Amino acid sequence: GAVVSQHPSRVICKSGTSVKIECRSLDFQATTMFWYRQFPKQSLMLMATSNEGSKATYEQGVEKDKFLINHASLTLSTLTVTSAHPEDSSFYICSARKDRSYTDTQYFGPGTRLTVL
Amino acid sequence: AQTVTQSQPEMSVQEAETVTLSCTYDTSESDYYLFWYKQPPSRQMILVIRQEAYKQQNATENRFSVNFQKAAKSFSLKISDSQLGDAAMYFCAYRSAEANNLFFGTGTRLTVIP
Repeated sequence: GAVVSQHPSRVICKSGTSVKIECRSLDFQATTMFWYRQFPKQSLMLMATSNEGSKATYEQGVEKDKFLINHASLTLSTLTVTSAHPEDSSFYICSARKDRSYTDTQYFGPGTRLTVL
Repeated sequence: AQTVTQSQPEMSVQEAETVTLSCTYDTSESDYYLFWYKQPPSRQMILVIRQEAYKQQNATENRFSVNFQKAAKSFSLKISDSQLGDAAMYFCAYRSAEANNLFFGTGTRLTVIP
């Protein structure tokens, strides 16, 4: 199998606080994980690519100082939304790839709904 | 940049019938991968089917099959014998053979009528 989990599934926080979202590959080692953002009734937009043991690669327009990504192990990547504001409210989805081959499929987590008050 | 277009925001199908979801894409690359993902109300993205551009044969997975027309840059999904559990948002996605990025279309919401 290829199961990816996310925690928490939903979080509500006050404006100005930081929120950490975890993405775990449960039954495989993921050298590469991806973070997406999905606004209501819209498609997924890639935010960044997280590689184990190295710095994340951010897509154009994504603030790296606001969305901190840490890929500390082969089964865990975290996304921290720092100083969250209401406009950061969204659905955040991670995905993981089993190996470094570009041919491999990305397996998605169930997503985390962030609401910033 | 690659673009993926799904021209049908919503589709409906009678249970047990067949429905086809459209997807077109724009790329200058010759080697790439195409995917259809399903996102049910739970929001979990589930891979439905995948097609390698270098393969001429259309991919099939049980009741799901694609019509891949490389020259026309078209990649439609056919769902046969539709079931109530097929109701979901369906996203078409493109990925270059040598890159990580998945480019998603805007999705098609499929309703299955009992």
